[in-house]
Amino acid sequence: DQQVKQNSPSLSVQEGRISILNCDYTNSMFDYFLWYKKYPAEGPTFLISISSIKDKNEDGRFTVFLNKSAKHLSLHIVPSQPGDSAVYFCAASAGYSGGGADGLTFGKGTHLIIQP
Amino acid sequence: NAGVTQTPKFQVLKTGQSMTLQCAQDMNHNSMYWYRQDPGMGLRLIYYSASEGTTDKGEVPNGYNVSRLNKREFSLRLESAAPSQTSVYFCASTANRFSYNSPLHFGNGTRLTVT
Repeated sequence: DQQVKQNSPSLSVQEGRISILNCDYTNSMFDYFLWYKKYPAEGPTFLISISSIKDKNEDGRFTVFLNKSAKHLSLHIVPSQPGDSAVYFCAASAGYSGGGADGLTFGKGTHLIIQP
Repeated sequence: NAGVTQTPKFQVLKTGQSMTLQCAQDMNHNSMYWYRQDPGMGLRLIYYSASEGTTDKGEVPNGYNVSRLNKREFSLRLESAAPSQTSVYFCASTANRFSYNSPLHFGNGTRLTVT
C-alpha cells in the first residue's frame, strides 16, 4: 500500500511560469514532509521541508504548502528555470522515528521538464 | 568536501555472483543508509546503521547484508545476486537521525545489473 503518492509521473512547464508538484499521503501519523530533487546520474539532494505544525514554508523560489485535512502537499517553483528540470521526490516521516531518516517513506517521483 | 562517495558507479553481475558496494562519508555523520531505486518506484530502505556498531533492517532487506566498518564506511553485500536485485543503489547519511534539521545526504549511486 503506497503511503506517499505522486500521481503525476511527469510535468512540463514553460520557463518563467509556475511549476506545481503535488503529493498525497494516507498515513495520518506523518508529521514531517520533505522534497528532494534528483538530476540524472546523481543522488537526490534535499530541497525543502515542512513540519505539520505549519501550512507553508518558503525558501527562495521554492514554497511548500501543506493541507493536513486533505493529506496533501504541494511544491511551488516560481519562476521556473531550465535548471529546475529534474525528478522531484516527496517524502514523509512519522513522529520520533526520525526527523525520521529511518522512517522516511518516499513517493515515486515526478519528472519536471522546463521548456524554453 | 566529497560528501558521500559510492563505489563502483556501475557493475554487471551474473546470477549467483557476490559483490560488495562500498560507501564512505566524510561529514562525520552518525547514521548511514542504503536505499534502492527501481524504475517507477520511490526509494526503498534496505538497511541502515543508526550509529557505529549498529545495523537494522529496513523495508526490503532480503538478499542483502551490511557492515558498518567504522564511522565513515557502510558497505552493502549481495551474497548471491539475483535478477530482482537489478537496481540503482544509493547510500545516504545524516548527522542526527532524530533531527528535522538534519536531512539525508546521498551519494551518486551504483547502477547494478544482474543477468
